[in-house]
Amino acid sequence: AQSVTQLDSHVSVSEGTPVLLRCNYSSSYSPSLFWYVQHPNKGLQLLLKYTSAATLVKGINGFEAEFKKSETSFHLTKPSAHMSDAAEYFCVVSQANAGGTSYGKLTFGQGTILTVHP
Amino acid sequence: NAGVTQTPKFQVLKTGQSMTLQCAQDMNHNSMYWYRQDPGMGLRLIYYSASEGTTDKGEVPNGYNVSRLNKREFSLRLESAAPSQTSVYFCASSTRTVRSNYGYTFGSGTRLTVV
Repeated sequence: AQSVTQLDSHVSVSEGTPVLLRCNYSSSYSPSLFWYVQHPNKGLQLLLKYTSAATLVKGINGFEAEFKKSETSFHLTKPSAHMSDAAEYFCVVSQANAGGTSYGKLTFGQGTILTVHP
Repeated sequence: NAGVTQTPKFQVLKTGQSMTLQCAQDMNHNSMYWYRQDPGMGLRLIYYSASEGTTDKGEVPNGYNVSRLNKREFSLRLESAAPSQTSVYFCASSTRTVRSNYGYTFGSGTRLTVV
């Protein structure tokens, strides 16, 4: 079984300050991890993904995340927030089965709403 | 550059009515999925189809049925709509193997209201 916990339902930052969105996961086998962003009344956009390559993953729009197996975490960061970053962010896990393949079922966290103040 | 196409984008139903949400992908992906999104709950898997000819229940399948019509198309049917099915529905598709640099593409969503 797999699960995802996003530790903050809301995060508020000032423009130009760092962003940290926290995510912990649970997975029986080697997971693939993703961060998606959803702007109001829009669809889902992939920010970045970890699939057992480098543990520090760089994504679009200056976001990055670090896979820490010992802490079962995959926190999303950005050095300097922009007003356009205001959105809801989802941490997502997909678990490979014992054979190393998967049908790609995703388990979503509950979401973190990021507010950016001028 | 179509990707995953969902229809309709918006729908209002009365309790007890039926409808089918359509989804088609043009990326030759094997696997397709239906999710629903509710506030504070992320997206939850309703049904999925690992490959053409197979379908399986996800986390919240009650009240829904699906059909994998061919490799491209995966429809979701509400036989008797209930207010609890008011939600935003997303279709998605993916290549089969996680360990490859696989793609997972979402449609733009269907906003369904049941009154």
